[in-house]
Amino acid sequence: ETGVTQTPRHLVMGMTNKKSLKCEQHLGHNAMYWYKQSAKKPLELMFVYSLEERVENNSVPSRFSPECPNSSHLFLHLHTLQPEDSALYLCASSQEAYNEQFFGPGTRLTVL
Amino acid sequence: EDKVVQSPLSLVVHEGDTVTLNCSYEVTNFRSLLWYKQEKKAPTFLFMLTSSGIEKKSGRLSSILDKKELFSILNITATQTGDSAIYLCVIHNAGNNRKLIWGLGTSLAVNP
Repeated sequence: ETGVTQTPRHLVMGMTNKKSLKCEQHLGHNAMYWYKQSAKKPLELMFVYSLEERVENNSVPSRFSPECPNSSHLFLHLHTLQPEDSALYLCASSQEAYNEQFFGPGTRLTVL
Repeated sequence: EDKVVQSPLSLVVHEGDTVTLNCSYEVTNFRSLLWYKQEKKAPTFLFMLTSSGIEKKSGRLSSILDKKELFSILNITATQTGDSAIYLCVIHNAGNNRKLIWGLGTSLAVNP
């Protein structure tokens, strides 16, 4: 596979569930990102990892927990989410932090 | 407060028209401005601009940055229906914790 892949593509979960989103990049990049995209709002950058270290955490609620075990993989662990967390969650990677980013197809999350 | 404002918010044109999309910004410590195109999936990179007055060009698309007046424009000539998308502008800001500031985007519809 090439580029940035995300799984699952769609996820429906209850507020008491625990789930994880997975992102994998096959580009040899050093930085990875999680974004939240909601209707009529700008893209919200949630987390940035550079060389597996978190370099940015933009006041994201603790019910979202990122994990970057290596430079190719990024996870977003979800627990006790709220309906307003329903959105498209996009993963991206770049060669160096904050340069040109390559995006994955996103996970469409619905919280019931 | 750091901000990125794109205009217009939406635009409808006919095939063959030329369009100009605007992105103005106010940030603490500008590093670069990037343009992305988002269709029904994830954003794809178009241009990265760091210096004033140097036009970047790719086919029918071109972009230029004015760091004195704090804006960039994205031009699309001879538009095609495949240009229909949301065009996103993002600033890499080195001034504070908020490193990437995204605009709301311009929604472009090109009618046949």
